[in-house]
Amino acid sequence: DAGVIQSPRHEVTEMGQEVTLRCKPISGHNSLFWYRQTMMRGLELLIYFNNNVPIDDSGMPEDRFSAKMPNASFSTLKIQPSEPRDSAVYFCASTLGVNQPQHFGDGTRLSIL
Amino acid sequence: GEDVEQSLFLSVREGDSSVINCTYTDSSSTYLYWYKQEPGAGLQLLTYIFSNMDMKQDQRLTVLLNKKDKHLSLRIADTQTGDSAIYFCAESSSGGSNYKLTFGKGTLLTVNP
Repeated sequence: DAGVIQSPRHEVTEMGQEVTLRCKPISGHNSLFWYRQTMMRGLELLIYFNNNVPIDDSGMPEDRFSAKMPNASFSTLKIQPSEPRDSAVYFCASTLGVNQPQHFGDGTRLSIL
Repeated sequence: GEDVEQSLFLSVREGDSSVINCTYTDSSSTYLYWYKQEPGAGLQLLTYIFSNMDMKQDQRLTVLLNKKDKHLSLRIADTQTGDSAIYFCAESSSGGSNYKLTFGKGTLLTVNP
């Protein structure tokens, strides 16, 4: 079975540019999460969708960050404009429901110069 | 708020057992998880335990839960060089935020030949 698929795997761009990260959850999973991982802060939950609806976006750092889930098989995380402090690994995870294990993609390593 | 603590480093010799420890604060956590992260990869679910269990064994992995002390451990028997990775402990939140996982900072396991 295919796992959670993220693209791109690596992204290097200059500050001020728009960045779009993509995620395809595991088929049949109705919950999707975006996380950010840094050395200093570890894993932080950015946003949680259930049945394509954003339920908790309290972890989104600021208005420069936005996330959408137009259908059950696709989600995007957008940063506009990007800043060097946004450099991190961004993970997408999906799950069948609450109290079910979350399954992670391989992440997007983002570098903002 | 919830907090999960882990020691940052563990070094063992190949063939020995590894024990990675974790403490958490949310006494009403329902599930506790262990994830493994290899360099450049996402978090791979290793195992998880329901809070009303004391122990769970899965091949070389043994999870012990002491709910009274809020202490979780992961024992890896016959540790191999391929087990070298970062291991994350995570707890599920309770109540209305039961979709949330709180992660520790991770334990870097180094297996020496």
